[in-house]
Order: sequence, then structure tokens, then C-alpha cells
Amino acid sequence: ILNVEQSPQSLHVQEGDSTNFTCSFPSSNFYALHWYRWETAKSPEALFVMTLNGDEKKKGRISATLNTKEGYSYLYIKGSQPEDSATYLCAFYSGAGSYQLTFGKGTKLSVIP
Amino acid sequence: KAGVTQTPRYLIKTRGQQVTLSCSPISGHRSVSWYQQTPGQGLQFLFEYFSETQRNKGNFPGRFSGRQFSNSRSEMNVSTLELGDSALYLCASSYGTASNQPQHFGDGTRLSIL
Repeated sequence: ILNVEQSPQSLHVQEGDSTNFTCSFPSSNFYALHWYRWETAKSPEALFVMTLNGDEKKKGRISATLNTKEGYSYLYIKGSQPEDSATYLCAFYSGAGSYQLTFGKGTKLSVIP
Repeated sequence: KAGVTQTPRYLIKTRGQQVTLSCSPISGHRSVSWYQQTPGQGLQFLFEYFSETQRNKGNFPGRFSGRQFSNSRSEMNVSTLELGDSALYLCASSYGTASNQPQHFGDGTRLSIL
């Protein structure tokens, strides 16, 4: 069973603050790392799919980095806004033939106006 | 372009019954994956279908089964329902396999077992 850990479990930030959270995954047999945003009463929305060590992706004020050698990815949000409040999920896809996305339990972000 | 459509949105069943959930992927998408979400748990992988073939199945009992039709629509069946099957069931589609393609999720079916 693959272990994908996300930290922190939840956090509260003030509007305008920048924040980041971590996704840890197995450092062997890496194939891809996905990030999703899941807002309350909506369905999960894809943010990034990352496949190469050292990859950096950006979408507006949100960016992500990937370190496959040590098995972690960071998600950064610059200048948090109330609409960024959501649960952020990462998912690991192993290259060892398990053929499934393994999700972490998520980081719940609350941005206080 | 229509998104992923799941039906029904809500379902109430009793223990021992069976249920079938449906997922219509985005047009042109060939992969459909199913996930179970329960309180305190992350999204748990159920299975992925690609071009009508099951690629893998998660760690769920044989009561959970699925299939995919030639138009890529997928159904998931749960037989002999148990209280613990109460959950949100999400399906997701992508053009290629779920490995390196962003998953497009439906709104889910919330199943309650009485």
C-alpha cells in the first residue's frame, strides 16, 4: 500500500498572506504527481500534473514544485484570497505497475477575510 | 463541452440491497476512474476503465464491480450493501489513462445505507 502524506492537515491564514503545504510520497518508482483543489459543494478540480524531477508549474497565484529524489512536492499560494479556501489534494501515480492514483487526505485551507 | 455527469446525485438504500451508479465522461475521454470518499478518509481508488478494459481494482471486496461501455460511459455496482458503504462516490475521466492526465471529476453520487 503506497503512503501519500499531506501536511498540515488544515490551516487558517489571513487574506493577503502567502502559504505553502507539503505532499510526501514514495521516492522510488515515481511516475506522476497530481494536485487538485476541492471546494465545498463542488467537485475536485485539477491544478497540476507533474512528471519530471525539478518541475515547477504555475497557475495564477498558485505554483507547485516537485522533488522526486526525496519524495515531496510543495504547493504555494501567493497572496491568499477567500476564494482560495478549499481542500488541496495531491495524488501519486507509481511507475511500478499499480495502475492507480493514490490520494493524500488533503490540506484544508481557510482564508480569513 | 459538457462535463462529467454522474447519476443519481443522491441515493438511499437499505442493507442487503444492491445499487448501480452511472458515469458519463467528457466526450472523447476514454478513461473512467471511480473513487470512494468517506469521512476521515482520502479518496480511495475503486477501479479504472480504459477502452472498456479494467486496468486495475483497488482494495475493495468483490461486492464492488464495474464496467465500461463502448461509448465510454461507465457503471459501478455494489451488491449486498453494508452500512459502511455509505459514502460519496466520485468518478473521473481523462483522455488517456489516469497516470499523467488531469482527472475531470463529476459531482458525485452520495449513497446512504439505512
